[in-house]
Amino acid sequence: DAGVTQSPTHLIKTRGQQVTLRCSPKSGHDTVSWYQQALGQGPQFIFQYYEEEERQRGNFPDRFSGHQFPNYSSELNVNALLLGDSALYLCASVGRAAPFDTQYFGPGTRLTVL
Amino acid sequence: EDQVTQSPEALRLQEGESSSLNCSYTVSGLRGLFWYRQDPGKGPEFLFTLYSAGEEKEKERLKATLTKKESFLHITAPKPEDSATYLCAVQARYGGATNKLIFGTGTLLAVQP
Repeated sequence: DAGVTQSPTHLIKTRGQQVTLRCSPKSGHDTVSWYQQALGQGPQFIFQYYEEEERQRGNFPDRFSGHQFPNYSSELNVNALLLGDSALYLCASVGRAAPFDTQYFGPGTRLTVL
Repeated sequence: EDQVTQSPEALRLQEGESSSLNCSYTVSGLRGLFWYRQDPGKGPEFLFTLYSAGEEKEKERLKATLTKKESFLHITAPKPEDSATYLCAVQARYGGATNKLIFGTGTLLAVQP
């Protein structure tokens, strides 16, 4: 049973650039959430995608945007990168079958902004 | 505002020395409380879900309990491989159409042989 996968593993960008991160949900899952985890902090909710639409957004600016494809995979885009965007970006998926509330996380993408 | 506070921030134990981690929460109606384990540089690994006060769940050396205001993660006779950051998160029953998780900052556990 394939778990949540993310790519790339690591990424280095400079300020002002744009980045795209990718996520494939766990088999049987149709809902994808994205979280940002700064060093020493807990993950912070960015947004969630279901049926190819953004359902809810956390306290993140419009520079953060996303997309979900018909196969349920998802992308996170960040424009005009700032130094403060350096973090571990986590993707989590959840499905309709029990345990329907439990979100399973991928290994994350480590983004470094120089 | 929904909030999760974990204590202690860091905990150092000797192998075999049992202890407990605390997760206090304030939420507008609890839908579920979750415990995750996170190794350095990796994604959180799911451990337990608790839904109502009085509920308990066990897995190997770990046992999670829940009251109306807090949850405890009890670690019995820990081993060095239990060293990790343990994250607590809640889902609010009235959090909109999503089931977003609200995390604490975690407890960094180090178990020395």
